[in-house]
Amino acid sequence: LAKTTQPISMDSYEGQEVNITCSHNNIATNDYITWYQQFPSQGPRFIIQGYKTKVTNEVASLFIPADRKSSTLSLPRVSLSDTAVYYCLVGGGYSSASKIIFGSGTRLSIRP
Amino acid sequence: SQTIHQWPATLVQPVGSPLSLECTVEGTSNPNLYWYRQAAGRGLQLLFYSVGIGQISSEVPQNLSASRPQDRQFILSSKKLLLSDSGFYLCAWSVGTSGGAEDTQYFGPGTRLTVL
Repeated sequence: LAKTTQPISMDSYEGQEVNITCSHNNIATNDYITWYQQFPSQGPRFIIQGYKTKVTNEVASLFIPADRKSSTLSLPRVSLSDTAVYYCLVGGGYSSASKIIFGSGTRLSIRP
Repeated sequence: SQTIHQWPATLVQPVGSPLSLECTVEGTSNPNLYWYRQAAGRGLQLLFYSVGIGQISSEVPQNLSASRPQDRQFILSSKKLLLSDSGFYLCAWSVGTSGGAEDTQYFGPGTRLTVL
């Protein structure tokens, strides 16, 4: 199983770019990397998914180096509303749901 | 568009009482369905998942059970609740052939369960 390691918490300020790194040293060839965002008392929400190199959508970018043993979620110009817990999820490639492991996540706090 | 419903939103139950949480999905067919539990300040723990009617896989041995009586209905049950069953219960759905981590999951609003 591809275990992930993320920082427990991070702090930043409005308008800054925030980068959250996830380590997944034993990622398998068919594994994808997916990031979710969770606000208090809500279910997680999909942010972005990638397999290699760089993926960008309207809310974030995901950087994956060639060895794929880590990934970095980049949030440009954060606001107070980006305060949430961010989860890195690694797995897939037609594996079963039994390999779904959400770690403890990174608690991001944005200050004015 | 697809929507997912969970009820009740909050629940307070005594130890030893039964439990039934319901989750329904609208706007999609043959979804993969999941039950997660989240303890206070912790990550999500996958409890059960289902890739079709009557197909339930259990991830964690416990006093909980799940059933899928209809394509878009997923029920979490217990005959006798324990204190350790307290937590935030989340239902999710996805579409995909495996139901694995590569499939984007869409989560419901959750049920906050307190066992006293």
